[in-house]
Amino acid sequence: GDSVTQMEGPVTLSEEAFLTINCTYTATGYPSLFWYVQYPGEGLQLLLKATKADDKGSNKGFEATYRKETTSFHLEKGSVQVSDSAVYFCAPASGGSYIPTFGRGTSLIVHP
Amino acid sequence: GAVVSQHPSWVICKSGTSVKIECRSLDFQATTMFWYRQFPKQSLMLMATSNEGSKATYEQGVEKDKFLINHASLTLSTLTVTSAHPEDSSFYICSAWAIETQYFGPGTRLLVL
Repeated sequence: GDSVTQMEGPVTLSEEAFLTINCTYTATGYPSLFWYVQYPGEGLQLLLKATKADDKGSNKGFEATYRKETTSFHLEKGSVQVSDSAVYFCAPASGGSYIPTFGRGTSLIVHP
Repeated sequence: GAVVSQHPSWVICKSGTSVKIECRSLDFQATTMFWYRQFPKQSLMLMATSNEGSKATYEQGVEKDKFLINHASLTLSTLTVTSAHPEDSSFYICSAWAIETQYFGPGTRLLVL
């Protein structure tokens, strides 16, 4: 089955710092790739996605590029805000129902 | 994007009672929905796949008699935790598939005393 490896957290940054959260995956075939975000006490929200190699997903200043050759989908943001503090999940999804495979997530803490 | 709701958002119950959690797709029809469980600071664990009009498919290790799933319509799936015990306390999240993406509900926090 699919699997995902994310960098251990928490990642602690000051406001306006550059963010990178690494994600690598293993999957059969060519999965779609997703980043979900979970704010404290809430469910998961779709942040961005990419469905084929070299696609770049972007939303709210976050970006990630589908790198088939390195099986990676690293999340980046040029300038983080305190409101970005949350847990971020990278998830490959294969099959007809696109069931995501989740890792442990990466907690991001942004200080003013 | 597609919207998935859950009700209730949180529930406290006594040990031995049953609790029902609803998951609704608000602006689309979902023949398949999914139920997850999340422990504090942990990832999501897929519990079961809920299929409209047929029996749910449970993941290995999940007790189907403990976690009853009903998917009676294209917009509603329910999860009933039967004879709940403190170890069932957790955050339960549902999701539905639409437009090649899984959309998640806001979650239901269950505390069993």
